[in-house]
Amino acid sequence: GEDVEQSLFLSVREGDSSVINCTYTDSSSTYLYWYKQEPGAGLQLLTYIFSNMDMKQDQRLTVLLNKKDKHLSLRIADTQTGDSAIYFCAETSGGSYIPTFGRGTSLIVHP
Amino acid sequence: DAGVIQSPRHEVTEMGQEVTLRCKPISGHDYLFWYRQTMMRGLELLIYFNNNVPIDDSGMPEDRFSAKMPNASFSTLKIQPSEPRDSAVYFCASSTMVGGPLGNTIYFGEGSWLTVV
Repeated sequence: GEDVEQSLFLSVREGDSSVINCTYTDSSSTYLYWYKQEPGAGLQLLTYIFSNMDMKQDQRLTVLLNKKDKHLSLRIADTQTGDSAIYFCAETSGGSYIPTFGRGTSLIVHP
Repeated sequence: DAGVIQSPRHEVTEMGQEVTLRCKPISGHDYLFWYRQTMMRGLELLIYFNNNVPIDDSGMPEDRFSAKMPNASFSTLKIQPSEPRDSAVYFCASSTMVGGPLGNTIYFGEGSWLTVV
């Protein structure tokens, strides 16, 4: 199975909160990341969290980490049409700095 | 600062033709990655280089694919002969990999959109 799993699609109404979920298998994960891919573009780092943290907040973004369940989530408050993109979860672990990416969740924001 | 630069942005080619994708990493980044993105398989790491040396090419799908990095500022990904199932977006990316979450950030180019007909 995949090391990092995400659901493929999420549809929300503009103004609502979006929650994108990710599960990973490696218990030695050190850093976990969210990358954003806007249409026609490459991936860009959105935010990250250390594995010894439970939560990180950055303006409209909240990252929650449940290390016991190996579950990571990204909450976007007051979702806007400009948030429509593919969101990738990624993790690094052990001695490797090379991140393992999930398949990405396509967030569709409709009016 | 210039980001990772890829060319061509779009290419349509006939089956059997050779395809060469090009990449210029961010100056000072000594790690270079080639990824492929498709709807079916998501984002796949094909190969990565450190200091111009290929480190892991286990993601390269077949012998038809080859990648080179003759110097720190240039890399190519070649497909010969190309097949319709190679149609995908190919991303080049670079990083310093100096440790820490920001040091390990991977910077992606805008991708080369390949269609093989």
